[in-house]
Amino acid sequence: DAGVTQSPTHLIKTRGQQVTLRCSPKSGHDTVSWYQQALGQGPQFIFQYYEEEERQRGNFPDRFSGHQFPNYSSELNVNALLLGDSALYLCASSWWGGGFWDEQFFGPGTRLTVL
Amino acid sequence: DAKTTQPNSMESNEEEPVHLPCNHSTISGTDYIHWYRQLPSQGPEYVIHGLTSNVNNRMASLAIAEDRKSSTLILHRATLRDAAVYYCILRCPDNNAGNMLTFGGGTRLMVKP
Repeated sequence: DAGVTQSPTHLIKTRGQQVTLRCSPKSGHDTVSWYQQALGQGPQFIFQYYEEEERQRGNFPDRFSGHQFPNYSSELNVNALLLGDSALYLCASSWWGGGFWDEQFFGPGTRLTVL
Repeated sequence: DAKTTQPNSMESNEEEPVHLPCNHSTISGTDYIHWYRQLPSQGPEYVIHGLTSNVNNRMASLAIAEDRKSSTLILHRATLRDAAVYYCILRCPDNNAGNMLTFGGGTRLMVKP
């Protein structure tokens, strides 16, 4: 089992550009969540996808959008990049039927640098 | 959401026990206490969770105060591989809450050989 995989590992963009990050969940999982982790801080929840729909959203602007595909993989899109969007973007997967207490499995993240 | 308070950092010697504290004085009766840790250059990983009773698993033990206003994650014999940031998180069994995790700053554990 490969666990949660994310691509790319690192990415450098300039202000105003758009970026797409990708995530494949752990085998057997159907729910994907995205988190943003600024340097030296804990991860912050962006949104969660289940059955190809956004189910919950954190306090992030509409520039952050996502998508989930029928195979449960997911994309995170960020438009009009700002310097403050520089962070580690983490994807976490879980099984919707596992309940709120079910552990989430995180990928290694994508390091985004905005210049 | 109820908040948690953890020390910014702690230091331990290898092969000695480590007690990582977490204060959550505004915890509600239905909040579960979860611990995750984040090793360097990795995503967070689940460690343990509990509601009222102390819990043990292969990674650690969780001791919960009788009034549930605080808890302690116990690593029985710290190894160099346990050096990580440890996050104490409260989770509410509300259907609308989904699986969202609310991370604080966590405790950075340093293990000395």
